[in-house]
Amino acid sequence: AQKITQTQPGMFVQEKEAVTLDCTYDTSDPSYGLFWYKQPSSGEMIFLIYQGSYDQQNATEGRYSLNFQKARKSANLVISASQLGDSAMYFCAMREAGDKIIFGKGTRLHILP
Amino acid sequence: EPEVTQTPSHQVTQMGQEVILRCVPISNHLYFYWYRQILGQKVEFLVSFYNNEISEKSEIFDDQFSVERPDGSNFTLKIRSTKLEDSAMYFCASSISDRTNYGYTFGSGTRLTVV
Repeated sequence: AQKITQTQPGMFVQEKEAVTLDCTYDTSDPSYGLFWYKQPSSGEMIFLIYQGSYDQQNATEGRYSLNFQKARKSANLVISASQLGDSAMYFCAMREAGDKIIFGKGTRLHILP
Repeated sequence: EPEVTQTPSHQVTQMGQEVILRCVPISNHLYFYWYRQILGQKVEFLVSFYNNEISEKSEIFDDQFSVERPDGSNFTLKIRSTKLEDSAMYFCASSISDRTNYGYTFGSGTRLTVV
């Protein structure tokens, strides 16, 4: 069964608009971490933001924030004021205690000028 | 900022040949990983390595694959007899801990093309 689900294979957003990339996850472990990575066309994996399962507040890093809804097992990435350089593949990922990181299938984001 | 270094960035090899992909993890990290990504698809776990041994491997990581940490700094992935379907981007990653609040630092990847 899929542990990380990203339902949007592709998205087109106008520059300067905010964008939300969806992610739901499945775990029975009370302790887990959620991550978002950006993969530009050059191929490298760039860490964006982390949310712990016990964190009371939503994580924020600059223009990135994570809308963490624990009861719904949802960890959506919000990018405010999108820029052309935000065009990339975005992966949601999860790490359970003592385990490896597993990735969703990704969402390809296109920012339109 | 410390980084994970992977070499080569691109490799083209003939089917049936052996390839070795090299990685230098961050020096104080203890956990090492290989992932692969077939073009445009999801990032798939291959193997994790801790304390000089494999801690977990996926079903992709069959007898054709092996990993080694020969000298305390390098971490290598060997594919003994490459197949066309081994063509992918291979990422090395390292982590200081296996706790949930520690992510990975990824290398920039090796793009392997098998012809």
